[in-house]
Amino acid sequence: EPEVTQTPSHQVTQMGQEVILRCVPISNHLYFYWYRQILGQKVEFLVSFYNNEISEKSEIFDDQFSVERPDGSNFTLKIRSTKLEDSAMYFCASLPGQGYGYTFGSGTRLTVV
Amino acid sequence: QKEVEQNSGPLSVPEGAIASLNCTYSDRGSQSFFWYRQYSGKSPELIMFIYSNGDKEDGRFTAQLNKASQYVSLLIRDSQPSDSATYLCAVTIYNFNKFYFGSGTKLNVKP
Repeated sequence: EPEVTQTPSHQVTQMGQEVILRCVPISNHLYFYWYRQILGQKVEFLVSFYNNEISEKSEIFDDQFSVERPDGSNFTLKIRSTKLEDSAMYFCASLPGQGYGYTFGSGTRLTVV
Repeated sequence: QKEVEQNSGPLSVPEGAIASLNCTYSDRGSQSFFWYRQYSGKSPELIMFIYSNGDKEDGRFTAQLNKASQYVSLLIRDSQPSDSATYLCAVTIYNFNKFYFGSGTKLNVKP
């Protein structure tokens, strides 16, 4: 079964550093998303991406965050100047079209120290 | 504020029993309803989704939707210890661009 692949599985970074989280969505999917889950809390929407541009973003997704689909296969989330409260699991998800449930990647655990 | 509420549990059921998980939502514009299973430290896995009032069955799982009462439930028949996980309810509102998740119900199935 096709998978959404995320790398790295775990990233430790110092506060103030930049991190890039990588995702390879399922190849024929059109819609791409980033969600995060702080330990013990809800899965929260960050951003959706369609047709090479952001279609919606949450209030969490401020200027610190950016997304790119640089080469037609990878989908990246960049977090500039990380803060302690950015520590969370970050999940990438993709959809073949609207009306389906997400296929989530295995996640990247980001720890900011 | 678009809220999706779930009892955090834990819900404990014996092996072979029916587990009943409930979810309520606040926005009457909610259109689609999803159930995910999440094992500790893992990503959510889609179990099933439902759009219309009534029941939808898929193997041991049945989703039930009541839009008038704004709740959706998941029944797991013949519960197995491997079903022990946190079950997340998610809804979409007005479009499919964003899912709102509940905080999940932890299910323990005792052998």
